[in-house]
Amino acid sequence: GDSVTQMEGPVTLSEEACLTINCTYTATGYPSLFWYVQYPGEGLQLLLKATKADDKGSNKGFEATYRKETTSFHLEKGSVQVSDSAVYFCALSEMDSSYKLIFGSGTRLLVRP
Amino acid sequence: SAVISQKPSRDICQRGTSLTIQCQVDSQVTMMFWYRQQPGQSLTLIATANQGSEATYESGFVIDKFPISRPNLTFSTLTVSNMSPEDSSIYLCSVDVGESNYGYTFGSGTRLTVV
Repeated sequence: GDSVTQMEGPVTLSEEACLTINCTYTATGYPSLFWYVQYPGEGLQLLLKATKADDKGSNKGFEATYRKETTSFHLEKGSVQVSDSAVYFCALSEMDSSYKLIFGSGTRLLVRP
Repeated sequence: SAVISQKPSRDICQRGTSLTIQCQVDSQVTMMFWYRQQPGQSLTLIATANQGSEATYESGFVIDKFPISRPNLTFSTLTVSNMSPEDSSIYLCSVDVGESNYGYTFGSGTRLTVV
């Protein structure tokens, strides 16, 4: 079945450092890909998405490119802030009748001043 | 995107009792999804609720334990029945208003502790 694999955390960075959180997927079709963020004590928020190969999703300085050849959707940010500390979830949804989301295990990011 | 109101936001319950969680959406949606997030873990889909039909449960989840109602296109409930401490989790509802192209919106979650 479909699955999403994320790098394990926690990831600890200093403010203004570069961030990459790896995400790879397996899917039978052509899924849409998502990154969600969960700030401490809050619910899940959509960070960015991409619906087809080579699409780049971006939001709040974060980017991720849908790479079909490597089945990857790595999350990147050039300069992280303390306020970026959160748990990040990679997810996919097949374009079929179920429309359900399949999540990776999540990666906790801690940014220190 | 849709706005979801989920309640209660948290509860502490005695084992053996049941809790019903409500999810209200500000627009009509075809599918509503219920997820569970166990402590420190990722989200797992419990079931998909369509209006006017039985919910579709994922492997490992059964209707007797997690009965779901979907009386109209803006509302759903999830009941956690005969609770045990292992049911302590965050339960979230989710909707997709744009056939997945728009991304899914989540409620703020219900943090359940069973003692």
